[in-house]
Amino acid sequence: QQQVKQSPQSLIVQKGGISIINCAYENTAFDYFPWYQQFPGKGPALLIAIRPDVSEKKEGRFTISFNKSAKQFSLHIMDSQPGDSATYFCAATITGFQKLVFGTGTRLLVSP
Amino acid sequence: SAVISQKPSRDICQRGTSLTIQCQVDSQVTMMFWYRQQPGQSLTLIATANQGSEATYESGFVIDKFPISRPNLTFSTLTVSNMSPEDSSIYLCRARGEVVNEQFFGPGTRLTVL
Repeated sequence: QQQVKQSPQSLIVQKGGISIINCAYENTAFDYFPWYQQFPGKGPALLIAIRPDVSEKKEGRFTISFNKSAKQFSLHIMDSQPGDSATYFCAATITGFQKLVFGTGTRLLVSP
Repeated sequence: SAVISQKPSRDICQRGTSLTIQCQVDSQVTMMFWYRQQPGQSLTLIATANQGSEATYESGFVIDKFPISRPNLTFSTLTVSNMSPEDSSIYLCRARGEVVNEQFFGPGTRLTVL
């Protein structure tokens, strides 16, 4: 119940294309869903986050789509750029609860 | 947003020795956590560092192996004791502010045990 399943494990997208990473969860108590971006040799950095009361959140080229009934959420990177090449982690938590549950990560490579 | 620094950034250690990793936050935070990230893997929570009291460890992690201190609201240490090659990993500190969207990671400490 505490798991967050993430797919795909790796993804290659051409420059200008759309990158899509999917996550699914079981625990319906989760109410905060962040995405982290991690470059090699760096710690994860918060990219964008969503709460289940909205179905979509957009920040620049990054969009989270949220499907509460299916218990799924996804990250869309529009107009993907080589600088977006990184590992992306989805996560989930319960507000007021301290732990973040992380997905297994997706290594994204955007080819020039 | 908070800025988190970790020392050392990397180290190569001999089997059987111990290494203490420091995590410093530039502002007071409510919670601090320690994670392990093995190459190409996700993040595994080791423990929650509690200020002024013993850390709360996750299943599979024990205080004798990973003693943790948190003497104040901006600083914590993680010691990896009696190291073996299986401890080779990246160790990350995370801090949480007053609200849930204030979540920050340190840059990590890359540990190699020979």
